[in-house]
Amino acid sequence: EAQVTQNPRYLITVTGKKLTVTCSQNMNHEYMSWYRQDPGLGLRQIYYSMNVEVTDKGDVPEGYKVSRKEKRNFPLILESPSPNQTSLYFCASSSQLVGSSGRSDTQYFGPGTRLTVL
Amino acid sequence: SQQGEEDPQALSIQEGENATMNCSYKTSINNLQWYRQNSGRGLVHLILIRSNEREKHSGRLRVTLDTSKKSSSLLITASRAADTASYFCATSKGNTGKLIFGQGTTLQVKP
Repeated sequence: EAQVTQNPRYLITVTGKKLTVTCSQNMNHEYMSWYRQDPGLGLRQIYYSMNVEVTDKGDVPEGYKVSRKEKRNFPLILESPSPNQTSLYFCASSSQLVGSSGRSDTQYFGPGTRLTVL
Repeated sequence: SQQGEEDPQALSIQEGENATMNCSYKTSINNLQWYRQNSGRGLVHLILIRSNEREKHSGRLRVTLDTSKKSSSLLITASRAADTASYFCATSKGNTGKLIFGQGTTLQVKP
């Protein structure tokens, strides 16, 4: 089954304790992205990757790191989490293939990780 | 900043009625997509309409696109309680793969 998986699904941690949220996709997608979703602010992109070893900042990258060593995995790293990073996080992936009708960029989302930083 | 702005922010209707949500955007696009999100879950792609298309149908969904007004609408006909969710428009432009999401419309369908 084609899917994007994230782990953990729920995490409660304390300020300053490094954590990693994993993301994996089995669709051989080139593009992967991390979003955070907060009430009233919608979905905001944190980082994205257009392919292996190619990553770039999104709209709200401060306090986050990513890596893309393999095509299927795109972990999100919080080196020193703070309470303002309490949020619902989504990983997504999409194919960059251009079909006969042009680009799609349709994104497939993971189930989400609800993070609470105390 | 978010390119898409959706209207209304919230919509409450009775089962069987039609629901219409609107999305406006600011710049040229490759395509516009609509996604659905059940509470606390990941977004699910519903339908895509390309910049050279004006209308598209998928089951009970009808999407229109007016590139001159930079706006789109999503119509859900004969709504069901199971349609209760948040609906987001997202625009694709350029060749980076990036999607810009709107703030979403929260739809409640009362049985």
